[in-house]
Amino acid sequence: DQQVKQNSPSLSVQEGRISILNCDYTNSMFDYFLWYKKYPAEGPTFLISISSIKDKNEDGRFTVFLNKSAKHLSLHIVPSQPGDSAVYFCAASVGSGGSNYKLTFGKGTLLTVNP
Amino acid sequence: EPEVTQTPSHQVTQMGQEVILRCVPISNHLYFYWYRQILGQKVEFLVSFYNNEISEKSEIFDDQFSVERPDGSNFTLKIRSTKLEDSAMYFCASSERTGGIRKLFFGSGTQLSVL
Repeated sequence: DQQVKQNSPSLSVQEGRISILNCDYTNSMFDYFLWYKKYPAEGPTFLISISSIKDKNEDGRFTVFLNKSAKHLSLHIVPSQPGDSAVYFCAASVGSGGSNYKLTFGKGTLLTVNP
Repeated sequence: EPEVTQTPSHQVTQMGQEVILRCVPISNHLYFYWYRQILGQKVEFLVSFYNNEISEKSEIFDDQFSVERPDGSNFTLKIRSTKLEDSAMYFCASSERTGGIRKLFFGSGTQLSVL
């Protein structure tokens, strides 16, 4: 049951260019979306998030776009740097009223930024 | 920056043995979680814990699993009788709700190997 899907297992881009990572979801109850970055042997690190009341959120080089009608979000990294090379996870949560904000993760996309 | 700490970083055990994985969440956080990632697979939710009780658990979290917050700082995951398929990276996470931002902070994980 893949409620959050990242269909590209890997992506390779040149340093300085834009990286676009995509994510689709099926559960219309999701109202909060996050991107996490993960290096080997480390835990996921929060990158950026977006509430379903917005369609764009920007933080420095990172921008997340949300298209609710298409149940699709994307992460743009501009310009890409070699240090951005990591696995990127899309995650989503349902506002459950205060007892739980569990995340449902996608399978991740391995981003490689080549110098 | 405050962080979630997990011990040990690696745990090797024999099948059928009990293991306890330990976590110290961020001090002012109220929501606690365990996730796991089997090699090559996605990060999966196990259990969430709030107000000293389990708020949600997945089908993975069967009778062999239990969680406890024995004091004001530690959060533990116990597996009573480990199986080979319990081998995975186990991540502890914690969160607080601040102005509608619902992000989880993850520890670096405990790599559990069941032989």
